[in-house]
Amino acid sequence: DTEVTQTPKHLVMGMTNKKSLKCEQHMGHRAMYWYKQKAKKPPELMFVYSYEKLSINESVPSRFSPECPNSSLLNLHLHALQPEDSALYLCASSQVGGDNSFFGQGTRLTVV
Amino acid sequence: QKEVEQDPGPLSVPEGAIVSLNCTYSNSAFQYFMWYRQYSRKGPELLMYTYSSGNKEDGRFTAQVDKSSKYISLFIRDSQPSDSATYLCAMKRGFQKLVFGTGTRLLVSP
Repeated sequence: DTEVTQTPKHLVMGMTNKKSLKCEQHMGHRAMYWYKQKAKKPPELMFVYSYEKLSINESVPSRFSPECPNSSLLNLHLHALQPEDSALYLCASSQVGGDNSFFGQGTRLTVV
Repeated sequence: QKEVEQDPGPLSVPEGAIVSLNCTYSNSAFQYFMWYRQYSRKGPELLMYTYSSGNKEDGRFTAQVDKSSKYISLFIRDSQPSDSATYLCAMKRGFQKLVFGTGTRLLVSP
C-alpha cells in the first residue's frame, strides 16, 4: 500500500470559518508533510513532522495549524483564511530522512 | 539563481515520439533525484527515483543523472496521450527538504 489519503477532496470555506484537512498513510512512514500548491507552480513546503513532532515550519501564518495525532494521521486546521490561501493542499509522507516522498491527491481549497 | 532550473514548456509532441525532459541544479550536495508526474488538479505521483549517476529504466521511462554536469533527464519512449501532464523534477540532500523544479508541461497529441 503506497497510498496517502486526503479528505476532503474539495472544500469551500468562508473567511470566518474553521475547518480541518485530514491526511492518512499506512506505509509506516514517520515523516509527514504539508505542502501548498498554486496553479502552474511547484508544491511549496509548509510543515514537516518527524516522529509525530513538528520539525519544520516554513514561516507559515498562524491561521494554519498542523497537528499529528499519531504516526498515521496528519491534520491541518484552518481558521480565518484569506482568499489568497485558495490552493491545492498536499499531504506527503516518507521515511525520516528518506529519499522519496509519496503524495496524496490533495484538497482543493477555495476561500470565499 | 534558482537551485533547480526546469523549462516550464509546454512541450508538444506527436504520439509515439521520444520525449526528453531535463533539469539542471546548482547544489552539488544533492544526493537523491526524483521525477514526479502531476495530472491537472491531482497530487504528484512518484515516477522515478535515482541516487547515483547513471541510468535507471522502468518500462517506457528512463531517468538519467549526470552529477558531474549537475544535470538530470527523464526520457519517455513511445509517448502516449495519457502521458500529457506536468513533470516535476525534485531533489534533496539527506534530511533536507525536497527542492522542486518549476515543472514542464507535456502535451502528447494523437
